[in-house]
Formats: sequence, structure tokens, C-alpha cells
Amino acid sequence: NAGVTQTPKFRILKIGQSMTLQCTQDMNHNYMYWYRQDPGMGLKLIYYSVGAGITDKGEVPNGYNVSRSTTEDFPLRLELAAPSQTSVYFCASSYPQAGGPYSYNEQFFGPGTRLTVL
Amino acid sequence: GENVEQHPSTLSVQEGDSAVIKCTYSDSASNYFPWYKQELGKRPQLIIDIRSNVGEKKDQRIAVTLNKTAKHFSLHITETQPEDSAVYFCASRGGNKLVFGAGTILRVKS
Repeated sequence: NAGVTQTPKFRILKIGQSMTLQCTQDMNHNYMYWYRQDPGMGLKLIYYSVGAGITDKGEVPNGYNVSRSTTEDFPLRLELAAPSQTSVYFCASSYPQAGGPYSYNEQFFGPGTRLTVL
Repeated sequence: GENVEQHPSTLSVQEGDSAVIKCTYSDSASNYFPWYKQELGKRPQLIIDIRSNVGEKKDQRIAVTLNKTAKHFSLHITETQPEDSAVYFCASRGGNKLVFGAGTILRVKS
């Protein structure tokens, strides 16, 4: 299994440009997440999905959009890139809470995409 | 919503000493508390986790304790080694989401 993969690894955008960050997982996980990590900071949830066709906002959704048409893929779209979106973006996936609320459900992270907006 | 505070932000220890990182959470309904380790330029990886019906869990040199009444949990690393140097994140799960602490930079000096 490749686990969680992300493309591209690095990208430089100009202000106002758009792009899509790709995320794919081959573990048949229902749950998928997008986080951003600013330098020296923790992980902030942008959007998440509990299954194909279902998405929901996290803590910092403004300036981003997502879609989930298949179990495997969860792309993140940036429209009108701004310098404030310079960050490292991580995609993650996990199983649903099988076994009830006390289950573990480790989140598996992708390698990240380093985005710079100039 | 859930808020997680993590302390200290940086921690330097001598090789062989113990390290303790503490987190507090705000939502009493939170039921799962993982700890992630992130090496420089790498992805976060789970090192240990605990659920709310357990008070303590150990895995070799790593242990986590949970105090539900006080709403705090701690990571304990014994006999620290240089390869333990990294950023450590605590997290708390409420519903379908994890909320992460700001991270602790651990430096182990040899």
C-alpha cells in the first residue's frame, strides 16, 4: 500500500492564481482531512469528509474548496491565492469510529505539499 | 468548540533524562487523545494514544496519562535519546475531528 499520497510536493503561486492540491489514499478509509501547518505552529483543520459526497468545514475553511467524488480522492482547491495561504498542507485519512466513540482511529498523514504564494 | 493548550513550547533535556509534555482540553465530551511526533520536514506520525476510559498507557519508553476530571493529559518519555528530538503534538478528538495543540519542540542534548 502506498498509504496517503499528495501532489505536488512543492509549488510557488503568484497572488490571484488558482491551483488544486491532490490527495489519494489506498487504505479504503472513509474519513479524509485537510490541514495546514504554518511555520512553528500546529495543524489547523481546513475541511474534512466522512465519505464520498459529504464534506464539512473545519477551523480555517476560507479561501479553500473541496470535493469528494470517490472514497480514494480528496482534492483541495485554492481560488485566488493570497500570501496568507503560504503554508505546508497535509492530507490525512482514517477509518470511521468503528466500535463506538472509544475507538482509536489513527489518522495517517500524507507527505505534505509546501506552497508559497508570492 | 474544542481548545487544546500544550506546554511547554520548547523543552531541552540531557540524553538519558526524562521529558514531560502536558496538554489541557476544554470539551468534556472529548474521548480520544493521540500524540504525534513530527521530525523536521516530515509528516506527523502517531506515537501513542489513549481513550477516555483508560487512565494510563505505556509503550516501552513512552507513556501517556489522562486526568478526565482536570481535563489534562501528558506525554512522558523516559531515557531520552538524540533520535527523540522532534516536534510533538497532542490532540483531542471531539466528534469526527481532531484538534491539535501548538506543539512542543523537544531537543535531546548528547
